[in-house]
Amino acid sequence: AQKVTQAQTEISVVEKEDVTLDCVYETRDTTYYLFWYKQPPSGELVFLIRRNSFDEQNEISGRYSWNFQKSTSSFNFTITASQVVDSAVYFCALTNNNAGNMLTFGGGTRLMVKP
Amino acid sequence: DTAVSQTPKYLVTQMGNDKSIKCEQNLGHDTMYWYKQDSKKFLKIMFSYNNKELIINETVPNRFSPKSPDKAHLNLHINSLELGDSAVYFCASSQVRRDEQFFGPGTRLTVL
Repeated sequence: AQKVTQAQTEISVVEKEDVTLDCVYETRDTTYYLFWYKQPPSGELVFLIRRNSFDEQNEISGRYSWNFQKSTSSFNFTITASQVVDSAVYFCALTNNNAGNMLTFGGGTRLMVKP
Repeated sequence: DTAVSQTPKYLVTQMGNDKSIKCEQNLGHDTMYWYKQDSKKFLKIMFSYNNKELIINETVPNRFSPKSPDKAHLNLHINSLELGDSAVYFCASSQVRRDEQFFGPGTRLTVL
């Protein structure tokens, strides 16, 4: 069985602060894929990143960065110099490539960035 | 061009009715999905479907059924609607299951 835990249900920061959203996952598979999605107040779900289990390199995209550590089964997401537009619910998700498997989402972290 | 579209955006109906939500994707993807997001924002996958197989989340009541007239469409039919069915339903698609999924804008269903 797969499981994704986002222990932080809600985080509030002031603009320009850095913030890290935690994601811990459980799976018995050696090949799996991790994702982050953003859901702004408008409601749509926006894909941010996909990472496979064989690629532990950290990734940076502008103000966004991701830290994947298999040793701790974590795939954390950091926003540097947060902005009000970053306010959203962020979801971490996990799947493998086995037949019959489906994407499992964490419970989401609501990030509020105040001006 | 909208990649994944859903209609209607809002659906208000009475308990016991049957309703459908339509989903279309123009990305040429092989796999489509339906998700339910409850009032606490928890996202649960309901179905995964491509032209070879339908995978059903075992927790989904059989009042829910996906229908795919062709590769670009996966509609969701719901029979005998219940109050607990009120939620936002998202359609999504991907090329294969391990790829990132592209989501539709969601349909907010309210059962009175």
